[in-house]
Amino acid sequence: DAKTTQPTSMDCAEGRAANLPCNHSTISGNEYVYWYRQIHSQGPQYIIHGLKNNETNEMASLIITEDRKSSTLILPHATLRDTAVYYCIVRVAAGGFKTIFGAGTRLFVKA
Amino acid sequence: GAGVSQSPRYKVAKRGQDVALRCDPISGHVSLFWYQQALGQGPEFLTYFQNEAQLDKSGLPSDRFFAERPEGSVSTLKIQRTQQEDSAVYLCASSLAGVEETQYFGPGTRLLVL
Repeated sequence: DAKTTQPTSMDCAEGRAANLPCNHSTISGNEYVYWYRQIHSQGPQYIIHGLKNNETNEMASLIITEDRKSSTLILPHATLRDTAVYYCIVRVAAGGFKTIFGAGTRLFVKA
Repeated sequence: GAGVSQSPRYKVAKRGQDVALRCDPISGHVSLFWYQQALGQGPEFLTYFQNEAQLDKSGLPSDRFFAERPEGSVSTLKIQRTQQEDSAVYLCASSLAGVEETQYFGPGTRLLVL
């Protein structure tokens, strides 16, 4: 079973920040938080990952709470092309082969 | 550089037919993964290779499913005697080294079994 809980869907206005929450209350100390997104009819695309520190790259920011039981993916200026299903995944750093996806959050960016 | 490629992109099979799906990982990537994605669901893990060794095949749904990567590069997922419930998108991903590395996904093969 997936180890994460995400809202089924969210809306965001174009140009505004999209904040996608994820709960992973049973996360272990050696598990990373990964975010992928899947645009219709494409394979999942890697966005960002982190262990316990906040991370930022050219696509997004990842905020992980101090207790690591939840995280938020932030798309700072959402565009229509950001409409996709966003998956939050926890995965061991080594020794585990399975990446377990949940149902994800369907983000709709509206003009 | 080239990403992960998969072929065919679409496959229609009659129930009972055998199918073979191909994955070309990113050059130099050691790890290769296969996933099955049903309509409206997230991808589900099928199997994992490190080079030519199949280290985990626990996600394969039945013995009709078989995957190989004989030379540690290209991989083939074979489904024998296809059933309607095998209809799904089959995704391949590769990563540079161990499982902690970022996985890069191909576009998938959409299989429809009639």
